[in-house]
Amino acid sequence: AQSVTQPDIHITVSEGASLELRCNYSYGATPYLFWYVQSPGQGLQLLLKYFSGDTLVQGIKGFEAEFKRSQSSFNLRKPSVHWSDAAEYFCAVGARQAGTALIFGKGTTLSVSS
Amino acid sequence: EPEVTQTPSHQVTQMGQEVILRCVPISNHLYFYWYRQILGQKVEFLVSFYNNEISEKSEIFDDQFSVERPDGSNFTLKIRSTKLEDSAMYFCASSDAGYTEAFFGQGTRLTVV
Repeated sequence: AQSVTQPDIHITVSEGASLELRCNYSYGATPYLFWYVQSPGQGLQLLLKYFSGDTLVQGIKGFEAEFKRSQSSFNLRKPSVHWSDAAEYFCAVGARQAGTALIFGKGTTLSVSS
Repeated sequence: EPEVTQTPSHQVTQMGQEVILRCVPISNHLYFYWYRQILGQKVEFLVSFYNNEISEKSEIFDDQFSVERPDGSNFTLKIRSTKLEDSAMYFCASSDAGYTEAFFGQGTRLTVV
């Protein structure tokens, strides 16, 4: 079955500390992977995506993610968290084909403490 | 920067009523999507639409749902007879033919009372 697992429902990180959000996927075809962020009352904004090539991808707002095929993982990282990063983060997997569904994880809520 | 826009941002409707959610996708995009997010749950795919027909749909997208591109700019989701469990945030998205990513709108929060 195709699925995305984000094992951490809620994470609290101190401002300035590093962050890692976990994502594991199960997908029958070649996976194309995405991280989206949703701030309160806002839509889904793409942070970064992985289609092929270098397994470490850089995104907006200082985020990066590493694709590990052997572990079926696509973890999101940031070296130093800012208070404005508090939001909900969704990992998603899909096919490299327009019109196909994205499968989302349940999301991880990030809180940032001062 | 081009964006997907959705109206209204919040809609309240009575159970059994028809509701139409509207979206204006990015102008040069050819693929359009609806997703929903029930409160506290994950974002779920409903349907994708290309060349005036549905290209893929999920089990959620039953006969109560329909989509339409009534003109060159709008993309709509109709729920014929709303149920309490249809209460959710509905996201519209669009992508171009090359498909590098799907761009999402801000969502319409539908509340069925």
